[in-house]
Amino acid sequence: SAVISQKPSRDICQRGTSLTIQCQVDSQVTMMFWYRQQPGQSLTLIATANQGSEATYESGFVIDKFPISRPNLTFSTLTVSNMSPEDSSIYLCSVSGTGGSNQPQHFGDGTRLSIL
Amino acid sequence: AQTVTQSQPEMSVQEAETVTLSCTYDTSENNYYLFWYKQPPSRQMILVIRQEAYKQQNATENRFSVNFQKAAKSFSLKISDSQLGDTAMYFCAFMKHTGNFNKFYFGSGTKLNVKP
Repeated sequence: SAVISQKPSRDICQRGTSLTIQCQVDSQVTMMFWYRQQPGQSLTLIATANQGSEATYESGFVIDKFPISRPNLTFSTLTVSNMSPEDSSIYLCSVSGTGGSNQPQHFGDGTRLSIL
Repeated sequence: AQTVTQSQPEMSVQEAETVTLSCTYDTSENNYYLFWYKQPPSRQMILVIRQEAYKQQNATENRFSVNFQKAAKSFSLKISDSQLGDTAMYFCAFMKHTGNFNKFYFGSGTKLNVKP
């Protein structure tokens, strides 16, 4: 399975600032996914990032708040903009497994973000 | 839209005993996949077991097995001979293939505490 590295692993940020989270995969993948996991909650898909095109955002998430870059097939970034305490969450990068349509998603270790 | 429901927010089990975590889902799809993921305090999402909807035989992975009831849209996870390392959040997930990628829907999770 793919090895996914996320940076930073955690951060504490001031209200109103922005933070960019990096996700590096050890193999080329078509799609990369960004999830948010609020405290005690399940995973919610933020957007799907396809290399060479704009990310596709789920309902409730917008590009101005969560801009995403996907410059190549092994890397993506998610920026959390103009942060507020409500953005305190774990943010997870994910890719689909290869080898068929029944493959699970593989996840990075996540970035734990706290906003003061 | 697909929904995944885990009705047990938290469960406890004695070490070496058996525990069953429940999951139900709602979908109009006929072809889909179901997964159980484990998220220990380290927060990494780890795949536990998967089930293809077209297969009647229940999936088994060592101490982990599922009871898949397609008509009832039920997908429970049984953990036999529970170990302390099984302590984690467990998420049930539904996956369908949409165009270019697999889309996942996660339940709210069950926190399992294995007691010595």
